[in-house]
Amino acid sequence: EVQLVESGGGLVQPGGSLRLSCAASGFTFTTSWMAWVRQAPGKGLEWVATIKPGGSESYVDSVRGRFTISRDNNKRSLYLQMNSLRAEDTAVYYCARADRAAYDIWGQGTMVTVSP
Amino acid sequence: DIVMTQSPLSLPVTPGEPASISCRSSQSLLYSNGDNFLGWYLQKPGQSPQLLIYLGSNRASGVPDRFSGSGSGTDFTLKISRVEAEDVGVYYCMQGLQTPVTFGQGTRLEIK
Repeated sequence: EVQLVESGGGLVQPGGSLRLSCAASGFTFTTSWMAWVRQAPGKGLEWVATIKPGGSESYVDSVRGRFTISRDNNKRSLYLQMNSLRAEDTAVYYCARADRAAYDIWGQGTMVTVSP
Repeated sequence: DIVMTQSPLSLPVTPGEPASISCRSSQSLLYSNGDNFLGWYLQKPGQSPQLLIYLGSNRASGVPDRFSGSGSGTDFTLKISRVEAEDVGVYYCMQGLQTPVTFGQGTRLEIK
C-alpha cells in the first residue's frame, strides 16, 4: 500500500525543538522528491521545505535557518528538525511526495503546537 | 515569489449542477517543455489534501472524470461537470514551477 505516515508532533514551548518523522511505503522512496507542507489552524496550505533524491534542500524564508529537512533512504524515512520554534509555527505538518510538479501522496499529518 | 489568486473563495452549488474555480498566477507557469506547472487539490473536511489535477490538465489516478483542468500561462480553471455531495471541501491550486512552492487561498465548495 502506498502511504506516508508522520509522527513526532506535540506541544513544545517557544524556543524549543521538535523532530518530525515520515515513514514511506509502497513506492520508490530513493528516487522521489519529498516535501513538508503545513497548515495552521483554520488556514490554508503552506509549503515548508523540499528535499531532492540527492539531498539538495530548499526552504520557505520563514523557516530557513531554523528547520532542516533530511532523509534516510535506507530507512525510507523523511525528517524535519525544527529548532527555535515560534507560536506561528503551530500547524498540522504533512509530508508529501512530489511528482510531475505536484504532490501526489500525502500523509495524515501530525500536529505541532508551540505554546508556553 | 509567485502569487496564486483563486476565485471565488466560496462556492455554493446545487447537486448535479456544474461548478468552476479560477486560479491566476502572478507569473507564467508554462515551462520550456510545454507543461504548465499547476496542480489542483481538494481537502475534504477533516482529511489531508488529495491531488486532483497535475500539469494543468491531467487527472490524477482515481479522480472521477467529472473533474477537469484547463488553462495555460497565468490563467487556469478547475471545472466540475456535475457536483456531487462528496465534492464538498476546500479546493487549492498550487504552482510547482519554482520555490517557494505557493498555494492559492482556497475555495470552499458547499452544497446548497
